[in-house]
Amino acid sequence: AAGVIQSPRHLIKEKRETATLKCYPIPRHDTVYWYQQGPGQDPQFLISFYEKMQSDKGSIPDRFSAQQFSDYHSELNMSSLELGDSALYFCASSTRRGANTIYFGEGSWLTVV
Amino acid sequence: GENVEQHPSTLSVQEGDSAVIKCTYSDSASNYFPWYKQELGKRPQLIIDIRSNVGEKKDQRIAVTLNKTAKHFSLHITETQPEDSAVYFCAASTGYSSASKIIFGSGTRLSIRP
Repeated sequence: AAGVIQSPRHLIKEKRETATLKCYPIPRHDTVYWYQQGPGQDPQFLISFYEKMQSDKGSIPDRFSAQQFSDYHSELNMSSLELGDSALYFCASSTRRGANTIYFGEGSWLTVV
Repeated sequence: GENVEQHPSTLSVQEGDSAVIKCTYSDSASNYFPWYKQELGKRPQLIIDIRSNVGEKKDQRIAVTLNKTAKHFSLHITETQPEDSAVYFCAASTGYSSASKIIFGSGTRLSIRP
């Protein structure tokens, strides 16, 4: 079965640079979530979208922005990167038409040097 | 907002014994409680979930119980095996509401001793 696809899987950026992560949800899923997981930490909710509209916002820094496009894929844009942004970024998706179970992608490793 | 507390943070059990992980949540509107297993550097994988209209659910060696009055829920793993070693996260969500993000607990690192 198709899963949540994230790209790139690994990314190395320098401080103050910009990075963009992409997420392709499971087909027919209408909700996308972004989570950030630092080493040894639990996943922290950043932001979510339902039917291309932002539906909830968590601990997302002002330097980050995200959107969901007409094909339901989502992008997380991160600017003025800091060393502390180094983390594993997960995208997840679900659908409210079903059990609303949330499925995670493999994650994108961001390293800021 | 929702806050989920999880304990213990680490747990070591002998292979074949049972493991129990406990969580509490703060938002009485939460009605969906998934449990995720995460291996190092990999994605959280759903292992079992329970909704608020059910008190207990079992899937082979894994069971989850929910006490809505006390806002407690627990994961029980019986006959533990080496492949059960991982970090386990409980989570809570308002399920079918307009913004059903899940909030994770802080995780339990489970180690199975051979």
